[in-house]
Amino acid sequence: DIQMTQSPSSLSASVGDRVTITCRASQSISSYLNWYQQKPGKAPKLLIYAASSLQSGVPSRFSGSGSGTDFTLTISSLQPEDFATYYCQQSYSTLWVTFGPGTKVDIK
Amino acid sequence: QVQLVQSGAEVKKPGASVKVSCKASGYTFTSYDINWVRQATGQGLEWMGWMNPNSGNTGYAQKFQGRVTMTRNTSISTAYMELSSLRSEDTAVYYCARIGGDCSGGSCYSFSRYWGQGTLVTVSS
Repeated sequence: DIQMTQSPSSLSASVGDRVTITCRASQSISSYLNWYQQKPGKAPKLLIYAASSLQSGVPSRFSGSGSGTDFTLTISSLQPEDFATYYCQQSYSTLWVTFGPGTKVDIK
Repeated sequence: QVQLVQSGAEVKKPGASVKVSCKASGYTFTSYDINWVRQATGQGLEWMGWMNPNSGNTGYAQKFQGRVTMTRNTSISTAYMELSSLRSEDTAVYYCARIGGDCSGGSCYSFSRYWGQGTLVTVSS
């Protein structure tokens, strides 16, 4: 099965900062990579699919890049509502979905 | 609008079973697969398996093989996830999520835009 790792596991940032989160797959997954945002007590929210496609309604300050095994989620200018936990998810193997362990973004 | 509404919180004793429902509305239930994902308190997201509501075909994560059963009732657009032989480590919020997709450049990408609100299952003696 495909293992996903994320770094860092947590970070502290200020409003207006540029934030970058990395996700790595244990084998090549082409562009079959999604990013989700989750706030406490809420279901995950889809941000990015197919590594770099912005889900409709998601602010353009969110962007994704990468292919193969290495992927990045970037928030260009962190807003107060962006403090949350972010998960990557591989969809290369639709019969064996795996999530990364998450990256918690909190206020510096 | 698409909605997935899950059943309410459950408290179960170790060794018991729990069945969580996920009622779909706003789309044709049989046209989209359903994932089940769980999250223990303070932990990450853990995929449990998927179900095709049209055929009833399922696929389960190896960790849950033999303990999880995913079914559906198409007449009421509802998916179910039953977990048996519960232990304290199964205490978690359980989510259903619709699997959507987008095709481009000869490839089709799946993702979950729509999620249920989550069902807390507490396993305690």
